[in-house]
Amino acid sequence: AQTVTQSQPEMSVQEAETVTLSCTYDTSESDYYLFWYKQPPSRQMILVIRQEAYKQQNATENRFSVNFQKAAKSFSLKISDSQLGDAAMYFCAYRSAPGGSEKLVFGKGTKLTVNP
Amino acid sequence: DTGVSQDPRHKITKRGQNVTFRCDPISEHNRLYWYRQTLGQGPEFLTYFQNEAQLEKSRLLSDRFSAERPKGSFSTLEIQRTEQGDSAMYLCASSLEQVYNEQFFGPGTRLTVL
Repeated sequence: AQTVTQSQPEMSVQEAETVTLSCTYDTSESDYYLFWYKQPPSRQMILVIRQEAYKQQNATENRFSVNFQKAAKSFSLKISDSQLGDAAMYFCAYRSAPGGSEKLVFGKGTKLTVNP
Repeated sequence: DTGVSQDPRHKITKRGQNVTFRCDPISEHNRLYWYRQTLGQGPEFLTYFQNEAQLEKSRLLSDRFSAERPKGSFSTLEIQRTEQGDSAMYLCASSLEQVYNEQFFGPGTRLTVL
């Protein structure tokens, strides 16, 4: 079974600064997808960024980028130029490639605080 | 609003009662998922439908839990004989059948069992 570990229960960053959230995972599969989801307080979860395991290039979405290290099974999220609206719970998630399980396996989350 | 909707948003019940939650997916999405999220934890997968067929179930889904998706549209999740340990946020998500299969989440139903 796949597992996802987020070792930082809470992180804080100053507005306009950069922060990196850590995620490691365990799997015996060679092809899979990794995701970062954002869950603002009392609001629904939204997808921030995704990475296909077969792609060596790290995904980037505006101020959000990942550092994907397949051999190390590491998938960190970097948020640049942090904004007050980035404050939320961030969840790292794993999903098997098509043909495997459709479920998302989530970590326990990291609560990000952005200080003005 | 064309997102995933869930009803009710909050439910308080007494131990031993039955409860039913509803999820309406994004209209063209043929896949629907249920997750449970307890305080301080990430969501845990419960079950998944493709159209009206329930294709995957977690071992978390005990015999007190049942989910349906008649006609492949909305879905219901019923919990019978609720226990205090069932208190959680129940999240629904939907997706299109495609390579990335991005799951779009609803706002959740928060269940409190007294």
